[in-house]
Order: sequence, then structure tokens, then C-alpha cells
Amino acid sequence: AQTVTQSQPEMSVQEAETVTLSCTYDTSESDYYLFWYKQPPSRQMILVIRQEAYKQQNATENRFSVNFQKAAKSFSLKISDSQLGDAAMYFCAYKWASGSRLTFGEGTQLTVNP
Amino acid sequence: DTEVTQTPKHLVMGMTNKKSLKCEQHMGHRAMYWYKQKAKKPPELMFVYSYEKLSINESVPSRFSPECPNSSLLNLHLHALQPEDSALYLCASRLMSGTSGVDEQFFGPGTRLTVL
Repeated sequence: AQTVTQSQPEMSVQEAETVTLSCTYDTSESDYYLFWYKQPPSRQMILVIRQEAYKQQNATENRFSVNFQKAAKSFSLKISDSQLGDAAMYFCAYKWASGSRLTFGEGTQLTVNP
Repeated sequence: DTEVTQTPKHLVMGMTNKKSLKCEQHMGHRAMYWYKQKAKKPPELMFVYSYEKLSINESVPSRFSPECPNSSLLNLHLHALQPEDSALYLCASRLMSGTSGVDEQFFGPGTRLTVL
């Protein structure tokens, strides 16, 4: 069974600085997707970034980028120039390419200090 | 239209009530999901509909009854719930595009359910 582990229940960062959230996963599959979702206090789950396992290039979306290490089964999220609006719970998630289910990590609560 | 809508936003019900949650999307997605989420926890999968057919039921108690009347609409019928069923109920629809490799779920804003 696939598992996703986020080892940092809470993180904090100063506004305008950079923070990295960690995620590791376990799977025996070779074709899969990895996601970072953001859930602010409003509780809407928002997709931040997506990575296809077959792509070697790390995904980036504006201030958000990932460090995807397939052999190490690691998928960290880097947030640059942190903003107050980045404060949220961040979930790392895995999906087998041929499956329907998302497997979520336990989440990392990010606080951004002004 | 690139959103998933859910109604109502908030629902308070007694243990003997019958109520329904509604989810709608007009993105042409053919898979739709119900999740239950407790505070500070990840969403837990409840049901998956694929092409309007129930494809996954995560051993959810029968007091939760899903329904997919058409490809755009997903309902969750609630009956005789317990206080521990109080949670945020999230709906999601799934885009799958084989040619582009895109595969992601879009979430609605959720219904916050309180069972008294």
C-alpha cells in the first residue's frame, strides 16, 4: 500500500523568506503523480503544484517549486518570497497513474509571520 | 467554468433528520468524489463515482447514501447521523486527460456539517 509521510506537523517562516516543506512516499509503482494541496482557514483545497513521476524536470509554479527525488521517494515543496496569504495547511498527496485514489499525508501547518 | 460548487455551505441537523448535500461541476469531468475531513486531518475518501457508476465505497456506514443522477451532479443523502459524523464534507471532480498526462482533482469549498 502506498503511504505518504509529512514529518513536519508545523512550520513557520518570516514574510518574504523561503521555506521548504518535506514529503516522502512509499510505492512500488513506477507511474504515478504527486501533488501539493493548500488548505487555508476557509477550508477550500487548492492544488498548488503537480509532478508526473516520468518527468525528470522539477515542476514550478511562480513562487512554488518542488524538489522531486524519485530514487529517494522524496517530494519537497519550496515556497519563495513567502506571503501572508501562504499561511495554510499543506497536504502532500500521491496517486497511482492507473488508480482513482489520492493518498494524503497528515499535513504541515504553515504560519507566515509579518 | 472551472469550479466545483457545493450546497449548502453549513448544515446543522439532528440525529433523526434526513438531509442531502449537493455537489455540481460543469467541467465535463467523469469522476466525482466524496470526502470527509475532520479538523487538522487530511480528507478521508468515502465514495467515488466513475461515469455515473459507484466505483469505490470505502466501507462507509449506510446512513450515508451517495447518488449520481448525471455526470454533473453528485448528492450525498444523510439519515440518522451520529454526532461523530460532524465534519467538513468535500466533493471533488477529476480531470483526466490521457494525451497531456494531466490528472488532478478539483475540490469544492465543502459543506460544514454539525450533527446535534
